[in-house]
Amino acid sequence: GQNIDQPTEMTATEGAIVQINCTYQTSGFNGLFWYQQHAGEAPTFLSYNVLDGLEEKGRFSSFLSRSKGYSYLLLKELQMKDSASYLCAALDSNYQLIWGAGTKLIIKP
Amino acid sequence: DGGITQSPKYLFRKEGQNVTLSCEQNLNHDAMYWYRQDPGQGLRLIYYSQIVNDFQKGDIAEGYSVSREKKESFPLTVTSAQKNPTAFYLCASSKTPDRGPGEQYFGPGTRLTVT
Repeated sequence: GQNIDQPTEMTATEGAIVQINCTYQTSGFNGLFWYQQHAGEAPTFLSYNVLDGLEEKGRFSSFLSRSKGYSYLLLKELQMKDSASYLCAALDSNYQLIWGAGTKLIIKP
Repeated sequence: DGGITQSPKYLFRKEGQNVTLSCEQNLNHDAMYWYRQDPGQGLRLIYYSQIVNDFQKGDIAEGYSVSREKKESFPLTVTSAQKNPTAFYLCASSKTPDRGPGEQYFGPGTRLTVT
């Protein structure tokens, strides 16, 4: 079956760095997305990786290893507004998104 | 400004009533999707459509129906057959796979409560 695993909840301190991991098993693979979702709001796109390696976009970076079925989202210089859920989603061979349950990130001052 | 709109943001219905959630996009996207999100769970696909007048069932289509008469619109009807309809419903759109795996853009969501 198809499956996405990511931690349920993480806590970090304002100004610090946090890494949110995601492992995936899908029928075929056409890339991996990360989305941010604030409570009660819609998800917003953060990143897309299809090739191995690190993609940096400001304070956020996303890494992919296709051979390991593994990705992580790295958030630097954490701000209180980064408190949200982070959703990992893999695109399968039919171009359907398989979603993880999300990681709730709590930022403490 | 291009985007996706969903209305209303909050909706209350009595058990046994059908209810239709609206979704409109002006992004000129061919593909549209309906998801359901329950607390502590990921997004679950209800229905999706890649072209006008065509749609496919997702993982949890039972008790739901959709139509795609216009490219811009993809309304979802929650029927009385849906056993646990209270949830947060999200509509999304994207370009079709033959144009590359683009990200999905989401509407603000409709929180449906059925009592």
